Amino acid sequence: RKEVEQDPGPFNVPEGATVAFNCTYSNSASQSFFWYRQDCRKEPKLLMSVYSSGNEDGRFTAQLNRASQYISLLIRDSKLSDSATYLCVAVYGQNFVFGPGTRLSVLP
Amino acid sequence: DAGVIQSPRHEVTEMGQEVTLRCKPISGHDYLFWYRQTMMRGLELLIYFNNNVPIDDSGMPEDRFSAKMPNASFSTLKIQPSEPRDSAVYFCASSLGGTGNSPLHFGNGTRLTVT
Repeated sequence: RKEVEQDPGPFNVPEGATVAFNCTYSNSASQSFFWYRQDCRKEPKLLMSVYSSGNEDGRFTAQLNRASQYISLLIRDSKLSDSATYLCVAVYGQNFVFGPGTRLSVLP
Repeated sequence: DAGVIQSPRHEVTEMGQEVTLRCKPISGHDYLFWYRQTMMRGLELLIYFNNNVPIDDSGMPEDRFSAKMPNASFSTLKIQPSEPRDSAVYFCASSLGGTGNSPLHFGNGTRLTVT
């Protein structure tokens, strides 16, 4: 079983739609979590940290459920520019473990 | 601010040749990571350093791979001899460590093709 799992997608959604991604992690000692965005043939870039109480950054909302060991990302009012692969990360110590990513395509 | 800088951006080499990838972390960051990304395996951690000292190299595939960090502003990943299965994108990342709450900042990557 992989340490961090995600639905690979692709998720194809129309502009303006709300889309949610889930991610599960197996190491219960993981202490911090992030969402990264990766465009085709580019490096991963930090989208947002994930806090225990949940956090929001504009159209993006991240949630953490430690009891069930999953992280979620909600994107509201999706834009064409949101098309990318979204990677969740669970951190244990300094070991950043990346999920395989979920591909999102926002269609006009 | 300068981000993580990697070179070269692309490397095409023949099987058996030595390949050296280079990385300059963000100034002041005390952790440096080398990752490899392929379609099949995603992003895999190869090795990471703290204050120039290798901490965990359990992800290094085999003895053909070696990494060094001679000072706080430079690291290399060397593959000798290279094989076609080493073809991948190699990313270097750095962070201001401590609690693991500081995110990774990635370089642009080196796209390696071994023929």
